[in-house]
Amino acid sequence: DARVTQTPRHKVTEMGQEVTMRCQPILGHNTVFWYRQTMMQGLELLAYFRNRAPLDDSGMPKDRFSAEMPDATLATLKIQPSEPRDSAVYFCASGQRRDSYEQYFGPGTRLTVT
Amino acid sequence: KNQVEQSPQSLIILEGKNCTLQCNYTVSPFSNLRWYKQDTGRGPVSLTIMTFSENTKSNGRYTATLDADTKQSSLHITASQLSDSASYICVVSSYQTGANNLFFGTGTRLTVIP
Repeated sequence: DARVTQTPRHKVTEMGQEVTMRCQPILGHNTVFWYRQTMMQGLELLAYFRNRAPLDDSGMPKDRFSAEMPDATLATLKIQPSEPRDSAVYFCASGQRRDSYEQYFGPGTRLTVT
Repeated sequence: KNQVEQSPQSLIILEGKNCTLQCNYTVSPFSNLRWYKQDTGRGPVSLTIMTFSENTKSNGRYTATLDADTKQSSLHITASQLSDSASYICVVSSYQTGANNLFFGTGTRLTVIP
């Protein structure tokens, strides 16, 4: 049964360190989304890609966050340098263009920055 | 301002009872509205997706309604089960292009008790 996978599932790091989160979308899905979820803000869309091209990253702090899709099977979200306020759960989701309303979420990466 | 508000914030019901969750939005122009279920420690899972022309959609014991005139949606859960305990998130999509066009509610936390 096809699923979105994310690694690592948990990450604890110190302020100032670089963090890289990885996502493998469902095979055949050409749209990938990155979300952040906190208790205070709920879910927020950070960026999304279609056919590996970034379509919208307006929700992402540009000075420290970057998102890429080096190939169709891998999406990455990097934070450099990380700050305590980046502590959150980061979700990746994927979907198909012809069924663009539907998104399938991964299990998330829980990030704690101390 | 585009907003999505959900109520109640939290709800406790007895197993077997029905309940209704509310979602009011001010998003315009409207594209679609989705209800997600999110179990603790997991990514959201789509329950229903409705476009402008749809006013009711069911998925098993879950029935979503949409009134595009009053900009209100509800999610009705029939004969609740312990496994329904989760957060339910309403997401409204807009036709805006070149911008972040997904607007999220903060969710309703449902607890079903035996």
